[in-house]
Amino acid sequence: ETGVTQTPRHLVMGMTNKKSLKCEQHLGHNAMYWYKQSAKKPLELMFVYSLEERVENNSVPSRFSPECPNSSHLFLHLHTLQPEDSALYLCASSQGRGSSTDTQYFGPGTRLTVL
Amino acid sequence: QKEVEQNSGPLSVPEGAIASLNCTYSDRGSQSFFWYRQYSGKSPELIMSIYSNGDKEDGRFTAQLNKASQYVSLLIRDSQPSDSATYLCAERDSSYKLIFGSGTRLLVRP
Repeated sequence: ETGVTQTPRHLVMGMTNKKSLKCEQHLGHNAMYWYKQSAKKPLELMFVYSLEERVENNSVPSRFSPECPNSSHLFLHLHTLQPEDSALYLCASSQGRGSSTDTQYFGPGTRLTVL
Repeated sequence: QKEVEQNSGPLSVPEGAIASLNCTYSDRGSQSFFWYRQYSGKSPELIMSIYSNGDKEDGRFTAQLNKASQYVSLLIRDSQPSDSATYLCAERDSSYKLIFGSGTRLLVRP
């Protein structure tokens, strides 16, 4: 198991529900990431936080709302999702910018199904 | 548009053989490259990183980088059935973002 944990591991929600995904890293890293992985498609970067500041929003619909209260925790708030949002949502962390050998480590992911 | 290209496979090799996984990238400015292994239903797990031209060996794994040809590969020696997985190639661009390929599925036949 890595130093990045995610909860819940599985989530089924209706299109009108509001839910949140949680990520926690125990590696002392400064950067955290949300990725979406759909079947047959490459990993898609959604959001990047560096030292709790959002530095990237990769044209993600507003029904996905990230929150980074500190460098160890990252949330993804979900509301009024669509069935096509069903995917594996992965959190990752890394030392962050300025490190020439910056490497991202992934959490186990949350398998999301939107009905 | 920066891209990382991989053959989706499956690449099927017999147990004990060398598996060769290949990847090309479009961004000439990329300096860092990564290979991740992903088992079905699991998250990506870092196998190797490589930053300089040439070979880098770690146990049964060898990563090869050729920046002139914009080509990076992963060799797995003495392949085992437990190596059966999808292998993701990624490059880190001039900022901090990782750009992933779609992955190559490897099957090692007992």
